[in-house]
Amino acid sequence: NAGVTQTPKFQVLKTGQSMTLQCAQDMNHEYMSWYRQDPGMGLRLIHYSVGAGITDQGEVPNGYNVSRSTTEDFPLRLLSAAPSQTSVYFCASSYSRGRYTFGSGTRLTVV
Amino acid sequence: DQQVKQNSPSLSVQEGRISILNCDYTNSMFDYFLWYKKYPAEGPTFLISISSIKDKNEDGRFTVFLNKSAKHLSLHIVPSQPGDSAVYFCAASPYGGATNKLIFGTGTLLAVQP
Repeated sequence: NAGVTQTPKFQVLKTGQSMTLQCAQDMNHEYMSWYRQDPGMGLRLIHYSVGAGITDQGEVPNGYNVSRSTTEDFPLRLLSAAPSQTSVYFCASSYSRGRYTFGSGTRLTVV
Repeated sequence: DQQVKQNSPSLSVQEGRISILNCDYTNSMFDYFLWYKKYPAEGPTFLISISSIKDKNEDGRFTVFLNKSAKHLSLHIVPSQPGDSAVYFCAASPYGGATNKLIFGTGTLLAVQP
């Protein structure tokens, strides 16, 4: 039972490049979310999903897209990377209100 | 605008003593609260939660207190152990259709000194 798997673990992008952060869970959880963690800012919600085909915006959605075509996968797309998107990104899934299982994170640097 | 605030960035306590971590919220739509613990280079892990219909919830060494009128919650760890050294995040969930839209605070770094 792998839990929540995020790939890649580390990534360096040039400004303007696009990329997709992958997230997969094998627990059949309905709810999935993406967070970013920045120093002094805590964890901020980017996008979340309550089930396949249903997504909604969080606190800081600008510059990111998501889709949820299956229960298992919830990829996060950076459309045109900016230095302000340098952060650690966490994907999480949940079966019970608020009790998320988090992945180990993707550390992204945009230069 | 921070809806969930942890005003103490760090806290240091001696092993065996009580650790008290505080959290304030501003949004009256929050009715379910959680604490998460995070070690470096790992994702956060769920620790304990409390519903707004309660004012206290215990799980072993961890107790969460909720004061709805003050919009304040706290996490007590007794006795504190060196392995408790981590960043602690409080989080809040609103009632209604977006109950899994979890909003986190900025975190408090707890250091338990042996």
